[in-house]
Amino acid sequence: AQTVTQSQPEMSVQEAETVTLSCTYDTSESDYYLFWYKQPPSRQMILVIRQEAYKQQNATENRFSVNFQKAAKSFSLKISDSQLGDAAMYFCAYSFGNQFYFGTGTSLTVIP
Amino acid sequence: ETGVTQTPRHLVMGMTNKKSLKCEQHLGHNAMYWYKQSAKKPLELMFVYSLEERVENNSVPSRFSPECPNSSHLFLHLHTLQPEDSALYLCASSPLLSTSGHTDTQYFGPGTRLTVL
Repeated sequence: AQTVTQSQPEMSVQEAETVTLSCTYDTSESDYYLFWYKQPPSRQMILVIRQEAYKQQNATENRFSVNFQKAAKSFSLKISDSQLGDAAMYFCAYSFGNQFYFGTGTSLTVIP
Repeated sequence: ETGVTQTPRHLVMGMTNKKSLKCEQHLGHNAMYWYKQSAKKPLELMFVYSLEERVENNSVPSRFSPECPNSSHLFLHLHTLQPEDSALYLCASSPLLSTSGHTDTQYFGPGTRLTVL
């Protein structure tokens, strides 16, 4: 069964600093999608970044980038120049076929 | 974000009540999803609809009954729920499966906070 593991229930970062959230997943497939979602206290889940497994190049979106290590089944999220608005729950997710699997989330606190 | 809306936002019901959750998407998507979000647990995918047909039902108890009358609307009918069903219920939509055959980016609604007494 596919599983997604986020080993850091809580993380904190100083404003303007960089933080990395870890995610590992378990799959025997070679083609799939990976995502990071953000859920602020208002509860609406929004996409942060997306990676297609067949692409070796790491996805980036402004201050957000990933370190995709396919062989290690690792998909970490790096947030640079952290801002107060980055405080939220962050969920790593894996997609294969009709199924979508989420991790348990990492709660990120940004310290002013 | 108003692409996916959910009503009501909060719902308190007794175990013998019957209620329905509503989801509407304005993104032109053809796939819709129901998730259950409980504290300290991963989001649980409950139902998947693609072109108004149910394509996945992940061993969800029959006291949850989905309905998708068209590609823009999704309902979750609730009856004789248990206290452990209390959770945040999220609706999401996405384009149809990508050419690679995998579910692509999902867009979520704000959720309905359900409390079962």
